[in-house]
Parts: sequence; C-alpha cells; structure tokens
Amino acid sequence: ETGVTQTPRHLVMGMTNKKSLKCEQHLGHNAMYWYKQSAKKPLELMFVYSLEERVENNSVPSRFSPECPNSSHLFLHLHTLQPEDSALYLCASSPALGRYNEQFFGPGTRLTVL
Amino acid sequence: AQKVTQAQTEISVVEKEDVTLDCVYETRDTTYYLFWYKQPPSGELVFLIRRNSFDEQNEISGRYSWNFQKSTSSFNFTITASQVVDSAVYFCALSEAMGNSGGSNYKLTFGKGTLLTVNP
Repeated sequence: ETGVTQTPRHLVMGMTNKKSLKCEQHLGHNAMYWYKQSAKKPLELMFVYSLEERVENNSVPSRFSPECPNSSHLFLHLHTLQPEDSALYLCASSPALGRYNEQFFGPGTRLTVL
Repeated sequence: AQKVTQAQTEISVVEKEDVTLDCVYETRDTTYYLFWYKQPPSGELVFLIRRNSFDEQNEISGRYSWNFQKSTSSFNFTITASQVVDSAVYFCALSEAMGNSGGSNYKLTFGKGTLLTVNP
C-alpha cells in the first residue's frame, strides 16, 4: 500500500451504533488530520495530531472521538451520531506542521447515518 | 482571520477550451504558502502545487499554469485545452498558524472549491 489509505470506504450506520474509521499513512509523516466534507460546505478540519499528540480540536461534538496510537495510524470513533453527520470523512497526513507542508489525502469514508 | 475565496462555484466548459479558476486570499502574514488541490469524483484530494509568497514567478506544468499576483492577493489556476478528465472540484488553500502554537504549527485554510465540468 502506498500513500494514505482509509477503511471502510463506505459506511451506513444507525444513530445508536458505534463504529470506527481507520486511516493509515505509508509516507513516514509525523502529522495526521481528520476533515469532514459535507455537501455544499467547505472542508472542515476536525482534528490534528502531531507525533501522536492532539494539537487542534475544532469544537467537534464529543460523539466523535479521535485516536492516534502511532504516527502511521489514525482512528475516528463514532457513537450516537446524528443524520447531519452524514458526510465524506477525509484523512490526511503531512511531513510536519510547518507552513510549507502540503497534505496528502486518503480517498475518504462516505458515511451515512440513518 | 485568514480567508480564501473562490468566487466561482461551478464552471462548465467544452473540451479543448481554456479555463481559469480564481482564488483570492486574505492574510496578515508576510510569509505564507498557497496550494491548489484537485478532487475528482473518487473523492481523494490530489495536491497540485505549492507556492511561496516570495516567489511570484508564474508556473507551468503541462496544460496547467498558475498566476500568482501578490498585489491583488490572487493565485489563479488555468487549464489549457481542457479535457474531460479535468472534471473535478478544485480547491485553493492557504497556510494558517494554528491558535496557541506561537506560530510554529500550521494548518490549511481551504476555499469552498470550484466544480469544473468539462463536456465532450
């Protein structure tokens, strides 16, 4: 595998379910990100990790819980979601958090909450 | 606060036409970086280019070219002789310092994107 991978690619869940999204980067990067992309809305940065430490949390509801066990893996644990949480969830990584660092994105998980 | 504006929500062209995607930004930083990304229907954002605020030379890569004008705070993207495979959402982004990082950690502020449809 190369680049940034995300699983699953599609997920349908009920509001009472608990599920997790997984992201893995094979680029040797130190920073990882979760974004939410809803229809007709700009990309929303949810969480940022650098060297497994969370460095940014943009007022995301507690029903989203990130986990970064090492610099290659990032999870987003989901529980008691709402229908408005249906979106494309994108994971990204970058070498570091410098201003010049481009981010490399995974293909996303298309989440539908029923 | 920093801001990236992509005023064109949707553009539709016929194959082989040239098309320019506009990006205007606001920042108080003297040193910053601008980026363009492409998001095809598959969903993955693909990095296209990074530009340093001190480098105002235009860049050309095949059918793609970028015009950075610091005086007007614009970083426009032109596709020459467009093809159907160019159909995608294109995002412009600006590096922005994260709060509480003392200027050491940066994130990207994205515009809302421009949906480009190239028709055969």
